[in-house]
Amino acid sequence: AQSVTQLDSHVSVSEGTPVLLRCNYSSSYSPSLFWYVQHPNKGLQLLLKYTSAATLVKGINGFEAEFKKSETSFHLTKPSAHMSDAAEYFCVPHSWGNTPLVFGKGTRLSVIA
Amino acid sequence: NAGVTQTPKFQVLKTGQSMTLQCAQDMNHNSMYWYRQDPGMGLRLIYYSASEGTTDKGEVPNGYNVSRLNKREFSLRLESAAPSQTSVYFCASRPGSLNTEAFFGQGTRLTVV
Repeated sequence: AQSVTQLDSHVSVSEGTPVLLRCNYSSSYSPSLFWYVQHPNKGLQLLLKYTSAATLVKGINGFEAEFKKSETSFHLTKPSAHMSDAAEYFCVPHSWGNTPLVFGKGTRLSVIA
Repeated sequence: NAGVTQTPKFQVLKTGQSMTLQCAQDMNHNSMYWYRQDPGMGLRLIYYSASEGTTDKGEVPNGYNVSRLNKREFSLRLESAAPSQTSVYFCASRPGSLNTEAFFGQGTRLTVV
């Protein structure tokens, strides 16, 4: 079974500086991995997904993530943070639709003006 | 296309009262989920339904019941509300195939006093 670890519960960056949210996975086979974002008082929204087609995945709002098998990582990055990026971010291993999605505690991103 | 619709958006209950949270999706998805979100706890799965006619317990099912009324609708019932059930509840749905994203409702903020 797949599992993920988000290494930081809270990340704080200044507006205009790079964002790095870390996610490591544990799997005996090539995983499918997703990043979801949850803005304050909103539901969750898919940011991007990795399904083995390409190791560098681009998502919405300028975010991207690179799947690195050698490091078992799928870190989320953005070159320049914007105030609107302040949200909770969840790295989630995916599976067949008839099995449940398991969310961890996520990483809260704060952006300082 | 409304996606996933949850009702109500807000609710205040007294301890011991019962209520049903409604969820409907118009995307013809097979799987539906109920989660609760508490500060610092991420999303925890309460119940899920892999397909019409089936339901299964998640991580925190105690105190809840569910009904998959048809393919569109998946309701969550609190028979005797307790203060510990104060939370934000999210419904989600997704197709049954691999690597498909989940779509979330906007959430129901429930307070039990």
